[in-house]
Amino acid sequence: DVKVTQSSRYLVKRTGEKVFLECVQDMDHENMFWYRQDPGLGLRLIYFSYDVKMKEKGDIPEGYSVSREKKERFSLILESASTNQTSMYLCASSLGGAQPQHFGDGTRLSIL
Amino acid sequence: EDQVTQSPEALRLQEGESSSLNCSYTVSGLRGLFWYRQDPGKGPEFLFTLYSAGEEKEKERLKATLTKKESFLHITAPKPEDSATYLCAVYSSASKIIFGSGTRLSIRP
Repeated sequence: DVKVTQSSRYLVKRTGEKVFLECVQDMDHENMFWYRQDPGLGLRLIYFSYDVKMKEKGDIPEGYSVSREKKERFSLILESASTNQTSMYLCASSLGGAQPQHFGDGTRLSIL
Repeated sequence: EDQVTQSPEALRLQEGESSSLNCSYTVSGLRGLFWYRQDPGKGPEFLFTLYSAGEEKEKERLKATLTKKESFLHITAPKPEDSATYLCAVYSSASKIIFGSGTRLSIRP
């Protein structure tokens, strides 16, 4: 079974802090994704990566950056956290093409 | 514009009462349609992939079907543990995945 592990289930940070969310997958998948999920807005794609050191902007990249130094690890960075970034963050990975994404259990991030 | 619409937004059923969830899509070219189950506070769990009209997939009490415009997730004789949000997603020929907003399913014992 595919295992996608997110480093924290719950995280509380203050406005202006730099925040790192980590994600690791164990299935040698090429593609990795970061989403945020908010009530009434569904899943929104922040960034994705098709290969090591490669990244592409999703639908809502503003205020975020990503890093993929190794194939199995994809990090989401909030450069200067703001209260409107309080959300559930979900990481996913896939083989690519028309293959399903597999998700981690999410990080519920609160910015105070 | 590519779009995925799920209905109803919420559905409450009695245990054993069968029903269907709908996922209608408008995309530039369907390459795959995915169904997920999401429990509160957890990430979506993959259920099925459908690739072409007429295809069907089954797992326990769930059966997914696909036409050229929509997909149905049929739930037969549901149990309380089937309560969850069910998400549909479409992978288009533009290599983009689009998620629907989900159907919240509640099964009363």
